[in-house]
Order: sequence, then C-alpha cells, then structure tokens
Amino acid sequence: EAGVAQSPRYKIIEKRQSVAFWCNPISGHATLYWYQQILGQGPKLLIQFQNNGVVDDSQLPKDRFSAERLKGVDSTLKIQPAKLEDSAVYLCASSLTPVDIQYFGAGTRLSVL
Amino acid sequence: QQPVQSPQAVILREGEDAVINCSSSKALYSVHWYRQKHGEAPVFLMILLKGGEQKGHDKISASFNEKKQQSSLYLTASQLSYSGTYFCGTANTGKLIFGQGTTLQVKP
Repeated sequence: EAGVAQSPRYKIIEKRQSVAFWCNPISGHATLYWYQQILGQGPKLLIQFQNNGVVDDSQLPKDRFSAERLKGVDSTLKIQPAKLEDSAVYLCASSLTPVDIQYFGAGTRLSVL
Repeated sequence: QQPVQSPQAVILREGEDAVINCSSSKALYSVHWYRQKHGEAPVFLMILLKGGEQKGHDKISASFNEKKQQSSLYLTASQLSYSGTYFCGTANTGKLIFGQGTTLQVKP
C-alpha cells in the first residue's frame, strides 16, 4: 500500500516570496492534516480536512497561509508571503477517520532566508 | 492545550527500561503515541482509547488513566532501534494535539 506522498522534500526561498506544498494521502483516507514542525518541537496542527471540507483551521495564520483539498483527495498548502519564522518542516498526514491512526508523509523542509 | 511530557530526555544502555509520561489538563477521549527518528516522519506506535481499548505494537505497552488524564509509554529491554523522539498526542475534540516530545537515546 502506498504511503502519504509529499513534494517537494526541500525548499529554500527568500522572505516575502511564495511557496506551495503538495500532498497525496493514502487512498481512501477521508481525513487529511497539515502540520508545522519547528525544530525541537512537536507537530502543530495547521488545518484538518474531512473529505474536501475544513474541520479545523484555528491555528492557520490565514493572512499568509491557505490550503485546499479539491475533490477530497490531493491537497496543497500555500504560504504567501513567507516570513523567516515560517522555516520548519511541513508534514502532511492522513487517516481513515478523525482521531484514527495518522500516517505521515516524509515532509517538506522549508528554509526562509 | 498542549499535553506535557516527561522526562524531556532519557539516555539508556541497551536492555534497560524506560517510561515516558504524558499528562493533559483536559478530559481525554484518546491518547496516541508516535516515534520520530531524526529527519524522518513520525511513525505510529499506539492508540489508547477511553474505555480501555488499545491498538498498537506487541513489543510496546502503555497505560491510560482517564481520571488523571495521563498516559505512560513503557519501553522494556530497549534496543538501539528505540532511539528517537517520542510524542504523545491527546484528543478530546476530534483533533490531535502533540506534546513537545521526549528524546530517547539508547547506547550500546
């Protein structure tokens, strides 16, 4: 069974530039999550989708971050414009149902210079 | 609110045991445990559900005290492969909130 796919693996941008991350969850998983993990900390939930609807985006900085999950499968997370403090690993995860076992992708390591 | 894990770091010799604790200030529906190795994604270890049901690996055990809103992960006869950062995630409103992590280093 294929796991959660994410791309790119690494991205280096300058502040004020924009960047987008892509995630393809495990087939059949209705719930998709985007996490931000800053070095030395636990993953912080940015947004949670149930199919193509948003369940929770309370920690998403909506002035600069946006995410969508069209057709309830793939998802993209965008940052525009990026700030230095956005440097982190962005993890995508999926699960069959909310609060079930989450399967994580390898993540995208973002460096904002 | 983020759960609190203790200790923050542990160093063991192979074969020794360790306990990692996770506590929350809120009533919990479930507790999840994940392990993350450096530069890799978190990997699922165990789920403990309110009412006593557990899903996880045979070689790892854990407890969930619903009244105290606490969970403990027990690593027995540790192996080098157990090294990594362990995160608990607590759920009470349909979303998971992860603790700050406990770094475990197993030495030969």
